[in-house]
Amino acid sequence: AQSVTQLDSHVSVSEGTPVLLRCNYSSSYSPSLFWYVQHPNKGLQLLLKYTSAATLVKGINGFEAEFKKSETSFHLTKPSAHMSDAAEYFCVVSTGGGNKLTFGTGTQLKVEL
Amino acid sequence: DTGVSQNPRHKITKRGQNVTFRCDPISEHNRLYWYRQTLGQGPEFLTYFQNEAQLEKSRLLSDRFSAERPKGSFSTLEIQRTEQGDSAMYLCASSMTGQEGEQFFGPGTRLTVL
Repeated sequence: AQSVTQLDSHVSVSEGTPVLLRCNYSSSYSPSLFWYVQHPNKGLQLLLKYTSAATLVKGINGFEAEFKKSETSFHLTKPSAHMSDAAEYFCVVSTGGGNKLTFGTGTQLKVEL
Repeated sequence: DTGVSQNPRHKITKRGQNVTFRCDPISEHNRLYWYRQTLGQGPEFLTYFQNEAQLEKSRLLSDRFSAERPKGSFSTLEIQRTEQGDSAMYLCASSMTGQEGEQFFGPGTRLTVL
């Protein structure tokens, strides 16, 4: 079975500093991986996706993630945090031919002045 | 706004009552999904439709739960004889065939069972 593990339930950074949200995956074959973001009182939004093309994936709002097969990781990064980045972030793997998304437990990102 | 919409946004009910939620997907999307999210957890897959056909159901979907998508457009999720453990956010998402991983989510319906 495919799964993802988000290593931090909460991450706090200062505005303007880098963001690192960690995710490890478990899969018997090459997975499709995603990061989704959930702002308070808003629907989940796709940030970026990896589907076995380039290992460095760029998403919206300056986020990017790197697929590392040797480490089974798909960490999310951003060079400089903004207050508007404060939200919950989910690492996601698709299963069943992409029909079913399996979410991690989420990482709550807090951005402080 | 042409995104996914869900109604109602909030529902409070007493244990044992039946509730029904509605989801209107993005109009050109033929796939529709239901998820459930409890506090502190990521969403969990419940079921999905391609057009009007329900193609997969999770083991989380007990006999008290039923979902329909009669004309391949909007969908309803009904919970019969609600229990306190059903309290959660119920999320609907839609996608196009061939882009199943890119799902567009609605704002959810928060159910509270007293």
